[in-house]
Amino acid sequence: DAKTTQPPSMDCAEGRAANLPCNHSTISGNEYVYWYRQIHSQGPQYIIHGLKNNETNEMASLIITEDRKSSTLILPHATLRDTAVYYCIAGMEYGNKLVFGAGTILRVKS
Amino acid sequence: GAVVSQHPSRVICKSGTSVKIECRSLDFQATTMFWYRQFPKKSLMLMATSNEGSKATYEQGVEKDKFLINHASLTLSTLTVTSAHPEDSSFYICSASGVYEQYFGPGTRLTVT
Repeated sequence: DAKTTQPPSMDCAEGRAANLPCNHSTISGNEYVYWYRQIHSQGPQYIIHGLKNNETNEMASLIITEDRKSSTLILPHATLRDTAVYYCIAGMEYGNKLVFGAGTILRVKS
Repeated sequence: GAVVSQHPSRVICKSGTSVKIECRSLDFQATTMFWYRQFPKKSLMLMATSNEGSKATYEQGVEKDKFLINHASLTLSTLTVTSAHPEDSSFYICSASGVYEQYFGPGTRLTVT
């Protein structure tokens, strides 16, 4: 599984967009970019994933660079409840293990 | 999204005893489940991959005789920590594979005294 690199922490003002970067320069052609988040003392929550194209769902948008070496998770209007550790993971779809890195601690402040 | 439950949510046991943690997929069948452990302020560490009806695949450094995994049905996997010691105290999290993503349980806090 490709290794990912994320900044250890970020701050964001409530109501503003939170842009979380991730580098995955060794990602292979059939690996997806997954984003999960973990709120303190809970199990991780799936946010979004993508292969090549940009993706959007009700929670977030995922922007993947054309060379697929990096991506950005965008929370369009961050709230205090979005404070969590965000994990960017490169991995295969169905049935394959996910290897978690250190993630980014996002603090949303009022 | 799909729901995965874990039981118990918290358990305290004495050193030398064994503890069983259950992981259930409530509204879908999961051929593959995963077990992770997480120490305070650390990331999740994958312990093993559990496939229904077959032996679990353990990650390097995880003792298979200490952490017994059984995946007897498509909705239930169990992790038994045998002869638990204080250093086994941790947050144990399971996940079940869906079509596109993994669904995680809420975790089990194990404290060994």
